[in-house]
Amino acid sequence: SQTIHQWPATLVQPVGSPLSLECTVEGTSNPNLYWYRQAAGRGLQLLFYSVGIGQISSEVPQNLSASRPQDRQFILSSKKLLLSDSGFYLCAWRQSYEQYFGPGTRLTVT
Amino acid sequence: AQSVTQLDSQVPVFEEAPVELRCNYSSSVSVYLFWYVQYPNQGLQLLLKYLSGSTLVESINGFEAEFNKSQTSFHLRKPSVHISDTAEYFCAVTRRGNTGKLIFGQGTTLQVKP
Repeated sequence: SQTIHQWPATLVQPVGSPLSLECTVEGTSNPNLYWYRQAAGRGLQLLFYSVGIGQISSEVPQNLSASRPQDRQFILSSKKLLLSDSGFYLCAWRQSYEQYFGPGTRLTVT
Repeated sequence: AQSVTQLDSQVPVFEEAPVELRCNYSSSVSVYLFWYVQYPNQGLQLLLKYLSGSTLVESINGFEAEFNKSQTSFHLRKPSVHISDTAEYFCAVTRRGNTGKLIFGQGTTLQVKP
């Protein structure tokens, strides 16, 4: 069966520091992968998606970037965090038409 | 472009009472529809989906949703809720045939009271 992992689970970072969040999927090959952000009290916003290695599409211009160095690995990064980057970050993979989500990373920028 | 509106941000209800969480969507093309549930500090779990066929879809824990094309709605219902159903519920839509991008509603917090 397929599983999706995210780490770290929680992260507290100062403004201006770099960021790297990792997502990996097991049990499938060449999945479509997605990064979402959920701000407090709000819905989910799609940040990036990838249909294959090295292929990244950005949905919202912002302070973040994404990379897909391996088939089942998706990384979310920032060179300098802003306070507004705080939120709950969710990675997802697609099977057929539905998406399955990882456990999420709670990021607090102080 | 597609959009999703969840008409209620919070729905308080007593245990064993029925509940309906409302979802309306807007799209000029055919879509697939989903309901996800999120428990505190967890990821989203797929609750049920409408892809084609019967317009009434059911989940294993007693929820059901009905796709109504004329009213562009996909409301979620349960005849008798439990305390454990307390969570946030998200309606989502994706256009058929695209890269699978999901458009989410803002979410509805279901609070079941004893």
